[in-house]
Amino acid sequence: QQQVKQSPQSLIVQKGGISIINCAYENTAFDYFPWYQQFPGKGPALLIAIRPDVSEKKEGRFTISFNKSAKQFSLHIMDSQPGDSATYFCAASKGSWGKLQFGAGTQVVVTP
Amino acid sequence: ETGVTQTPRHLVMGMTNKKSLKCEQHLGHNAMYWYKQSAKKPLELMFVYNFKEQTENNSVPSRFSPECPNSSHLFLHLHTLQPEDSALYLCASSQAASGRASYNEQFFGPGTRLTVL
Repeated sequence: QQQVKQSPQSLIVQKGGISIINCAYENTAFDYFPWYQQFPGKGPALLIAIRPDVSEKKEGRFTISFNKSAKQFSLHIMDSQPGDSATYFCAASKGSWGKLQFGAGTQVVVTP
Repeated sequence: ETGVTQTPRHLVMGMTNKKSLKCEQHLGHNAMYWYKQSAKKPLELMFVYNFKEQTENNSVPSRFSPECPNSSHLFLHLHTLQPEDSALYLCASSQAASGRASYNEQFFGPGTRLTVL
């Protein structure tokens, strides 16, 4: 059973637009929610992560929004650039030693 | 070399072949992982090694055999694979504390693209 559900599967956005990717989880014990970015031919790289004691975390153009009651979290990419074209994975885990449960990924294409 | 490196980057093998994937991390970490990445599916954790000891085997078929001779090197030995084993195999590493792998901040290699004919 997939513990983290991610949508959409793919996304096309114009340069300068906002990309939004959503994830939902079932296990209320999860307390660490990272996002990974993967370029073609590369492994996933940690982009940004949040813990449930805050509702939002921003790093540059990337923002995680977290809704604990709805058991959902999302990644917003502001002012999307062609260099942001990649596959994005959300994940969740419990504690520092819990397995990372990954979503299925979202392929983002930013058109010039 | 920096980060996590994997060789070969691409591998094509027949179902009767035996081959090995290699991973090396240059980050001073003590935990290493093998993941399988298939298209449009979540990453699947296969094995975890913590201070060279295997601490996780996620019901992986015995045709996949991991080996961790030291904290910097990890191998995945392959034999009698099936076409459905074709995927990107990713190695990752992380710090480990108190004898347990810290899954949270993992650093991934570029992967080996495996095709089984």
